[in-house]
Amino acid sequence: GQQVMQIPQYQHVQEGEDFTTYCNSSTTLSNIQWYKQRPGGHPVFLIQLVKSGEVKKQKRLTFQFGEAKKNSSLHITATQTTDVGTYFCAGQLNNAGNMLTFGGGTRLMVKP
Amino acid sequence: DTAVSQTPKYLVTQMGNDKSIKCEQNLGHDTMYWYKQDSKKFLKIMFSYNNKELIINETVPNRFSPKSPDKAHLNLHINSLELGDSAVYFCASSQDRGLAGSWSTDTQYFGPGTRLTVL
Repeated sequence: GQQVMQIPQYQHVQEGEDFTTYCNSSTTLSNIQWYKQRPGGHPVFLIQLVKSGEVKKQKRLTFQFGEAKKNSSLHITATQTTDVGTYFCAGQLNNAGNMLTFGGGTRLMVKP
Repeated sequence: DTAVSQTPKYLVTQMGNDKSIKCEQNLGHDTMYWYKQDSKKFLKIMFSYNNKELIINETVPNRFSPKSPDKAHLNLHINSLELGDSAVYFCASSQDRGLAGSWSTDTQYFGPGTRLTVL
C-alpha cells in the first residue's frame, strides 16, 4: 500500500487565507522533498528537507520536517491565486535506493 | 532550452498496440526516471535508471520497459497497450550522490509529460 500519505486531498480557500498540507510516512525518511504542479503542468521542485526538525521558509511558504523524520508539512500564509495547484510531498525511503515515493498530493483552489 | 523534454506530448492509440515515449535531458544528470500519473493525480515511480543500475517498481507490468541509448536519454516502451495504461507519463532526471553505498537523491526535474490515451 501507499507508504506516504498526504492530507487533505483537496482544499478550497478564500484568497488571503492560510493553507496547510500534511505528509505522513509509515517509515523513517532519509529526506523529504516538496513539489508543486500547476493545472496542466508538470511537478516543479520547491524544497528539500534533510535534518530532523528542520524548518525552511520561502517567502510565504514554510516547510517543516518532523523530529522523527516521518512527517512533514507545508504552510502557505495569505494565499494568492498564483498558489493554485497540487502540492506533493515526496519521501526517500531508506530501503528504496534513489527513488522517491510521492504522497497523493493536495489540490489547492483559491477563490479570488 | 528545455532541461527535460518528452515526445510526443499526446499519444492516442488502440488497445494491443506497441508504443514508445522518448525522453531527453540536457542537464548532465546521472539518473533518469519514469513516472505514471493517473486520473486521480497519483504520481507513481515506475523506473529509476543510471548507468549502473536499473531499479524497477515491482508493481509495473513487464509490458513496460525502459531503454537508454545513452546517459541523456531514457525511452519508455510499452507492449500490448491496455485501457488501464491511459495516464500522463512523466520523465524526470536528477543528479544523485552516492554516500557510502547508499544513494541520496537530489532535486528531480520533470519533463512536460506525455498524455497517453488507449482506446
